[in-house]
Amino acid sequence: EAGVAQSPRYKIIEKRQSVAFWCNPISGHATLYWYQQILGQGPKLLIQFQNNGVVDDSQLPKDRFSAERLKGVDSTLKIQPAKLEDSAVYLCASSLGLTGNYNEQFFGPGTRLTVL
Amino acid sequence: KQEVTQIPAALSVPEGENLVLNCSFTDSAIYNLQWFRQDPGKGLTSLLLIQSSQREQTSGRLNASLDKSSGRSTLYIAASQPGDSATYLCAVNNAGNMLTFGGGTRLMVKP
Repeated sequence: EAGVAQSPRYKIIEKRQSVAFWCNPISGHATLYWYQQILGQGPKLLIQFQNNGVVDDSQLPKDRFSAERLKGVDSTLKIQPAKLEDSAVYLCASSLGLTGNYNEQFFGPGTRLTVL
Repeated sequence: KQEVTQIPAALSVPEGENLVLNCSFTDSAIYNLQWFRQDPGKGLTSLLLIQSSQREQTSGRLNASLDKSSGRSTLYIAASQPGDSATYLCAVNNAGNMLTFGGGTRLMVKP
């Protein structure tokens, strides 16, 4: 079974530029998550989707970050404009559902963003 | 707000030792708890998931326990090997399926 796919794996941009990340979850997984992991810290949830609807985006900096999951499968996360403090690894995860035995999350390899 | 703490932050042991990694959390109203492994530059690999109704889970040389009432979990690694060197992350799943992670324990197993 294919895992969670993410691209690109690495991205270097200058501050104030825009950047977008792509995630393809495990087939059949209804729930998709985006996390931000700053060096030396644990991941922090940014947003979670159930199918193509947003379940929680309370920790997403909405003035510069946006995310969408139009057809309930793939998702994109965008940063516009980027700041130096956005340098981090952006992890995508998916799970079958939200509750019970279906909410074990599986993670992709991440996109490492460096903002200069 | 849920807070997750992992102790120690870093650990270096000789090959063959048994070791224990600790995780504590402040809000006991959890669905489950997951232990992950993260290798440098890589994503997270799920090691064990313990549902809130369970006390422990085992996989090979790994054993994770959960004491929900006291807000604690431990990951026990038996007969450690150099290939076990990685960062180990504990994550708690609260209502709403939000995973809150600890800061991780960086483990180095020396040959």
